[in-house]
Amino acid sequence: QKEVEQDPGPLSVPEGAIVSLNCTYSNSAFQYFMWYRQYSRKGPELLMYTYSSGNKEDGRFTAQVDKSSKYISLFIRDSQPSDSATYLCAMSGTSGYALNFGKGTSLLVTP
Amino acid sequence: EAQVTQNPRYLITVTGKKLTVTCSQNMNHEYMSWYRQDPGLGLRQIYYSMNVEVTDKGDVPEGYKVSRKEKRNFPLILESPSPNQTSLYFCASTPRTGNTEAFFGQGTRLTVV
Repeated sequence: QKEVEQDPGPLSVPEGAIVSLNCTYSNSAFQYFMWYRQYSRKGPELLMYTYSSGNKEDGRFTAQVDKSSKYISLFIRDSQPSDSATYLCAMSGTSGYALNFGKGTSLLVTP
Repeated sequence: EAQVTQNPRYLITVTGKKLTVTCSQNMNHEYMSWYRQDPGLGLRQIYYSMNVEVTDKGDVPEGYKVSRKEKRNFPLILESPSPNQTSLYFCASTPRTGNTEAFFGQGTRLTVV
């Protein structure tokens, strides 16, 4: 079983919809949880970063971490066509040196 | 501007011809790493470096070499490239050990024929 599981999609939604992206993981040592956004032909960019459990909000984006269920989510409110990209979840432990990435979910927001 | 710069962005080469992909960061980060990204497999770490002269293998190191002689540079070396190394490569740097908030380069698309 891969340590980080993420549905690759593609996910297609109309502009203005609420988008929910999710990852599950198996390693209980993970403490840092991140979401990266990757546009076509570009490198991943950090979107949200959360330490341990809880919620974090930044504008239209909300990241949630549920360590008891080993489940993380990214919500995008009022989605825009410019949000069309691949979203990668990533996580690491406190003493680890490697980011463990999900395979990414491809999102398309249609006008 | 804070950035990670990779060169070249695109490269087509033949099997067995040694090549180097350069990576440079201007943020004085200690930690640097190389990833490859393949369809259906996601991002996989090749090598990483925690500081100058300190490197270690990631998940898929076979066929690759790295060096870290200066803090800002972390080149990826393919001594004898093979077609299965055709991929999209990313260099990343992070400001402290413990891999958080990695900054990625723009990527190098390598094709080995």
